Amino acid sequence: KNEVEQSPQNLTAQEGEFITINCSYSVGISALHWLQQHPGGGIVSLFMLSSGKKKHGRLIATINIQEKHSSLHITASHPRDSAVYICAVSLRPGGGADGLTFGKGTHLIIQP
Amino acid sequence: NAGVTQTPKFRVLKTGQSMTLLCAQDMNHEYMYWYRQDPGMGLRLIHYSVGEGTTAKGEVPDGYNVSRLKKQNFLLGLESAAPSQTSVYFCASSYSGGRADTQYFGPGTRLTVL
Repeated sequence: KNEVEQSPQNLTAQEGEFITINCSYSVGISALHWLQQHPGGGIVSLFMLSSGKKKHGRLIATINIQEKHSSLHITASHPRDSAVYICAVSLRPGGGADGLTFGKGTHLIIQP
Repeated sequence: NAGVTQTPKFRVLKTGQSMTLLCAQDMNHEYMYWYRQDPGMGLRLIHYSVGEGTTAKGEVPDGYNVSRLKKQNFLLGLESAAPSQTSVYFCASSYSGGRADTQYFGPGTRLTVL
């Protein structure tokens, strides 16, 4: 059974700080996803990546396939970035069901 | 476009009652999914569908049934609700190649079973 581990579970930082959230997984994947969930529950896809690095605004996601590890970075963090960030993986064909396998999330709070 | 919508948003059931959760998407997506989210557990896949008329089991399918009679709709049924099914249920959809395609999530349904 694939496991997706995230760290840290909880993170509190000051506005403007550089934030890093880590994700490790244990088996072969087709892609890794980073999702954001705000209080109130809605889930939004931030990135889907299978290699290298992607950037969108102040958010950067990287993945190292050989080490089975991904990081999500937030530059110049802002209180509106406060949310739960969830790492999820799509398994390779034959590796299981077609849906996503999720980490337990990182609860991020950015204080003004 | 409304994206992915879920009905209802909240529901309280008594043990043994039945209900159906409706998920609808207007993006012409082939793949649809039902997940549940529980504190400390993360999201888990209940059932999914790779196209109209098809369904398949996910990680936690027991106690649930699903149907995909129309491409745009994916229904999740609880025949005899149990307190262990108290959870927040999310529907999602993706265009194709579900294993490596962005998933779009609905707003969730908060279900409490007493």
